[in-house]
Amino acid sequence: EVQLFESGGGLVQPGGSLRLSCAASGFTFTNHAMTWVRQAPGKGLEWVSTVSNSGGSTYYADSVKGRFTISRDNSKNTLYLEMSSLRAEDTAVYYCATGPYPSGSYNWFDFWGQGALVTVSS
Amino acid sequence: EIVMTQSPATLSVSPGERATLSCRASQSVSSNLAWYQQKPGQAPRLLIYSASTRATGIPARFSGSGSGTEFTLTISSLQSEDFAVYYCQHYNNWPPWTFGQGTKVEIK
Repeated sequence: EVQLFESGGGLVQPGGSLRLSCAASGFTFTNHAMTWVRQAPGKGLEWVSTVSNSGGSTYYADSVKGRFTISRDNSKNTLYLEMSSLRAEDTAVYYCATGPYPSGSYNWFDFWGQGALVTVSS
Repeated sequence: EIVMTQSPATLSVSPGERATLSCRASQSVSSNLAWYQQKPGQAPRLLIYSASTRATGIPARFSGSGSGTEFTLTISSLQSEDFAVYYCQHYNNWPPWTFGQGTKVEIK
């Protein structure tokens, strides 16, 4: 059974930093691109970032480019999202998700974690 | 960036009735479109990919159709567990991957 478990969410002040983790199990982690999607309170889904299976290719939404860094540790089956210069508009539930292909290309998201809440507020 | 527009925003349907949800892309996405269901407090769940292929374990009452810029998700006979928010998402000409704003299916 595929399982994705996010951790690291919490309350952070504007301008602060936070690192999210996503522990994966139940599938061959090294064969799949991984993605972060977020959802602001009461709003829709927003793609944030994707990393290829090797970690060699990364992609970012314009809204987070230069502030967020996606990475993965294939030896630990874990995905990360390093967030800095956080803003109030980054407040959201952050989901990690996996797709069917290694490169991220033409990927839908077939398995999702339960989400981690990040609140940016003073 | 490809913009995905869903309609209606809210659909009121009685249990047992048919629900038809629409998704329009601002430019062609071929058949590179997925549908997700999200219930309150839960993560999204994949229903359909490649515009018309049901994901593993998805009941046959869910069906998807369309290509290019116009897509439809049909729920043939609504069950109580189907009342939720539904999102479409393209995965063509990425990044970015973009979602529609969602259609809420509520009990009439």
